Amino acid sequence: DVKVTQSSRYLVKRTGEKVFLECVQDMDHENMFWYRQDPGLGLRLIYFSYDVKMKEKGDIPEGYSVSREKKERFSLILESASTNQTSMYLCASSFTSWGQFFGPGTRLTVL
Amino acid sequence: GQQLNQSPQSMFIQEGEDVSMNCTSSSIFNTWLWYKQDPGEGPVLLIALYKAGELTSNGRLTAQFGITRKDSFLNISASIPSDVGIYFCAGQGDFGNEKLTFGTGTRLTIIP
Repeated sequence: DVKVTQSSRYLVKRTGEKVFLECVQDMDHENMFWYRQDPGLGLRLIYFSYDVKMKEKGDIPEGYSVSREKKERFSLILESASTNQTSMYLCASSFTSWGQFFGPGTRLTVL
Repeated sequence: GQQLNQSPQSMFIQEGEDVSMNCTSSSIFNTWLWYKQDPGEGPVLLIALYKAGELTSNGRLTAQFGITRKDSFLNISASIPSDVGIYFCAGQGDFGNEKLTFGTGTRLTIIP
């Protein structure tokens, strides 16, 4: 079974802090994605990566950056956290057009 | 970015009832996917559809890829308590483009 793990299930940070969300997949997938999920808005794509050291902006990249130094790991960085970044963050990976596999999510609260 | 119109937003049904939900788009998609999200977890893929007109089943779940390629439907027959959760549709455009566009979700609640 594909396994996508995220470093934390719950995280509480203060405004202005730098926040790192880590995601690891164990199936050698080429593609990795970061989404945020907010009530009534569904899943919105922040950034994605097709390969190591490669990244592309999704629909809502402002206030975020990413890093992919190894194939299995994709990190989401909030350079200076703000309260409007309080959300559920979901990481996913995929190999081809067989659908994306999601991690359990990190619920981030920014105070 | 584009989002899919998914309806209904929420459903309250009794155990044993059948459920229907759908997604519509102004754009054509080459693949339609249906996911389910349990409370506190990430979405899990239920069904994938790859051809216009395709009808696919997975146990009590049946999904269809609309002929126009702009819509998809999910039906759940004889609902049970573990069907509770949020159901998302997702569309994929060009083959080789791995980005998905997600619907806003349908929250299913089963009344005892």
